[in-house]
Amino acid sequence: AQKITQTQPGMFVQEKEAVTLDCTYDTSDQSYGLFWYKQPSSGEMIFLIYQGSYDEQNATEGRYSLNFQKARKSANLVISASQLGDSAMYFCAMRGRQGGSEKLVFGKGTKLTVNP
Amino acid sequence: NAGVTQTPKFQVLKTGQSMTLQCAQDMNHEYMSWYRQDPGMGLRLIHYSVGAGITDQGEVPNGYNVSRSTTEDFPLRLLSAAPSQTSVYFCASSQDRSRTDTQYFGPGTRLTVL
Repeated sequence: AQKITQTQPGMFVQEKEAVTLDCTYDTSDQSYGLFWYKQPSSGEMIFLIYQGSYDEQNATEGRYSLNFQKARKSANLVISASQLGDSAMYFCAMRGRQGGSEKLVFGKGTKLTVNP
Repeated sequence: NAGVTQTPKFQVLKTGQSMTLQCAQDMNHEYMSWYRQDPGMGLRLIHYSVGAGITDQGEVPNGYNVSRSTTEDFPLRLLSAAPSQTSVYFCASSQDRSRTDTQYFGPGTRLTVL
């Protein structure tokens, strides 16, 4: 069964600084995908970045990058040059089969607060 | 592309009422799913569909029905609303069921059952 662990319930960062949000995962699959979503206070779930298990390079999307360490089963999200609008909940997720269903398995999330 | 759309955004029901949450996508995605998000429980899968005419249960299907008559639409029906169904409901879609395929979410429906 897949499992996602986010150990940081809350993180604080100063505007313009970089921040790393931790995510570790557990799976017995060889092929899998890891995803990060942002949920601002308005409630929508916004897809940020994706890393495939066979991707040799770390994924990057603008100010977002994913520090993927396959042997350690970690997929940390790095946000560079934080902005006030980055304040939100961030969820790490893995797609797989759990409990007989094909679904996204989510971590509990990290609440990021960007201070001016 | 509008992506994944959901209606309504907000809904208040009385216990015992029925209603349908609408979900549509214009990306020709085969896979669609419904999640509910509750404080402290994270997102839980209700039902999903891997294509028109094919649906399956997730981890919390009781009290909900789905059908998928077209690729675009995947409505979620509450048969007899209960206060325990007060939640935020998200519809999501992806090109297919592949484990490397990104799921895109709709804006959500906030449902309150009195």
